[in-house]
Amino acid sequence: ETGVTQTPRHLVMGMTNKKSLKCEQHLGHNAMYWYKQSAKKPLELMFVYNFKEQTENNSVPSRFSPECPNSSHLFLHLHTLQPEDSALYLCASSQDPRDYYTGELFFGEGSRLTVL
Amino acid sequence: RKEVEQDPGPFNVPEGATVAFNCTYSNSASQSFFWYRQDCRKEPKLLMSVYSSGNEDGRFTAQLNRASQYISLLIRDSKLSDSATYLCALQKAGTALIFGKGTTLSVSS
Repeated sequence: ETGVTQTPRHLVMGMTNKKSLKCEQHLGHNAMYWYKQSAKKPLELMFVYNFKEQTENNSVPSRFSPECPNSSHLFLHLHTLQPEDSALYLCASSQDPRDYYTGELFFGEGSRLTVL
Repeated sequence: RKEVEQDPGPFNVPEGATVAFNCTYSNSASQSFFWYRQDCRKEPKLLMSVYSSGNEDGRFTAQLNRASQYISLLIRDSKLSDSATYLCALQKAGTALIFGKGTTLSVSS
């Protein structure tokens, strides 16, 4: 079983749909992240949760709503998205987001989202 | 100026070549630096951390130049399997990693 698992791997949705992305980490880490990766753009940090508390929200539109019920699970709820939101959404975890000595994020394989 | 800038490439090199990538950053408060590797349609994975004194891991050498605010990655004796996108990342105090766009390397036989 991989360390960070994301479902679904692919998602196509209309602009009026509501859907959710799920992430689960089996590494015993304390922090979880959502990043967005669009073509020809750098990985964009969206949200950070540390011990289930949101510690960073990188000015993400409210149509993206994160939820972290425990340190192992992270969701991204999607509602009334726009076509420009189509991207690869990557979940990651780390032992401690303030651990400067490794900087190691463990990423899931991502959920590729297409908004029609 | 963008926080992290990389030449997107692609860098096309033959097997056995030596290739170097640079990554510049704008915020002098950046404290920690890393190189990640991302294979096509896969997730990024940590390749190596970058230390001020420079560090080496096999064919890979990473260096940090704080005065000029850039980090570099040198790959010696390139292999076909080195073909990937290389992302530089940095971390400021109390924040999550910030990534560059990545540099694409294609090694051919």
